[in-house]
Amino acid sequence: GAGVSQSPSNKVTEKGKDVELRCDPISGHTALYWYRQRLGQGLEFLIYFQGNSAPDKSGLPSDRFSAERTGESVSTLTIQRTQQEDSAVYLCASSPAGASSEKLFFGSGTQLSVL
Amino acid sequence: GDSVTQMEGPVTLSEEAFLTINCTYTATGYPSLFWYVQYPGEGLQLLLKATKADDKGSNKGFEATYRKETTSFHLEKGSVQVSDSAVYFCALSSGGYNKLIFGAGTRLAVHP
Repeated sequence: GAGVSQSPSNKVTEKGKDVELRCDPISGHTALYWYRQRLGQGLEFLIYFQGNSAPDKSGLPSDRFSAERTGESVSTLTIQRTQQEDSAVYLCASSPAGASSEKLFFGSGTQLSVL
Repeated sequence: GDSVTQMEGPVTLSEEAFLTINCTYTATGYPSLFWYVQYPGEGLQLLLKATKADDKGSNKGFEATYRKETTSFHLEKGSVQVSDSAVYFCALSSGGYNKLIFGAGTRLAVHP
């Protein structure tokens, strides 16, 4: 069916507020990844899910960032007490099994702006 | 840790010119290497990949060869088109699963 879907596509928030970003991966894809792309920079890895578990969350920048996945499907990335440096495009990607040579399918991202 | 370095852009070319975008990497083990492309207003998509030394990935006229001796994966195209204007990202997979480490991206602008 459809590709990786992310919502909202744009989010403007005030500094100090919490935000939730949603990712719907391709059906049947067991591996799910979150990345962050700051303006003019490359993508930074945040977290990797295999099923509902996160064996690698080494890229989460601080304890204000958390993510969960349920039903081996939807994932939510939560940023608490947002700061201006959190402004970026947050990208979600999925792949069938997480093998190291697989193609990742990316969503269009959520543009987060923290005022 | 693992890292990817690619040439800074923007790269500006005339249509039908030859393109090279340099990419070098640092990694433990034997990563897979990728080029992803981001066209204006679109999401990232895989352009090509190579999984072992001396492999050549190719797609849409683009090529890149996995060079272990020089730890490089340079992207080339013999004759670029205006429609190739995009941002190109070199990446490697790390950790035994598809955790990608990306370069900073190179913006290519092709003029008629």
